[in-house]
Amino acid sequence: DTGVSQNPRHKITKRGQNVTFRCDPISEHNRLYWYRQTLGQGPEFLTYFQNEAQLEKSRLLSDRFSAERPKGSFSTLEIQRTEQGDSAMYLCASSLVGLAGEQFFGPGTRLTVL
Amino acid sequence: RKEVEQDPGPFNVPEGATVAFNCTYSNSASQSFFWYRQDCRKEPKLLMSVYSSGNEDGRFTAQLNRASQYISLLIRDSKLSDSATYLCVVKLSYNQGGKLIFGQGTELSVKP
Repeated sequence: DTGVSQNPRHKITKRGQNVTFRCDPISEHNRLYWYRQTLGQGPEFLTYFQNEAQLEKSRLLSDRFSAERPKGSFSTLEIQRTEQGDSAMYLCASSLVGLAGEQFFGPGTRLTVL
Repeated sequence: RKEVEQDPGPFNVPEGATVAFNCTYSNSASQSFFWYRQDCRKEPKLLMSVYSSGNEDGRFTAQLNRASQYISLLIRDSKLSDSATYLCVVKLSYNQGGKLIFGQGTELSVKP
């Protein structure tokens, strides 16, 4: 399967714990995006990378959130000291640079914070 | 005010019905426009791009009015398999990261 993959698919954690998610984009895609989707809402932009550079972070991304893409390939999103409000689907998408670059989404990681 | 606003749902229609979704956007830097489909607990998938000239893909027709910042999607002869959430999406320019701005989605349920 050459699509975007995300791991884990589901994560249940207790409030206050740290969690880390991984996204593997389509191999030749140089842009990688993270979005968050809560129940009944559309996905909201969190951050994006072009190659290994993190070029923008949304104000939704508090200090407890950090994202990396160390070699311009896979990316990780870490949430420290999780809160119940962090419960959501975390979606990763990748694309080629350019206006026509369609973003392809991974299956998402569903986080539940108890 | 949300950057992309859609009709509140859900829409419950019988098979064979025609259903129309409307969407407005506020960011004038929006460069391209799409409808995505999202099945329950799945990732969004691109349904179709939207152009000012209007475009059609089988039973689906999308239209963009840049002057009024309005996007529409028409589904004709709806099928049970059309049941899903439809997301109106704008893509910002390359200089703004090309990120996608989603509406809240409109749920469609097609009944036999």
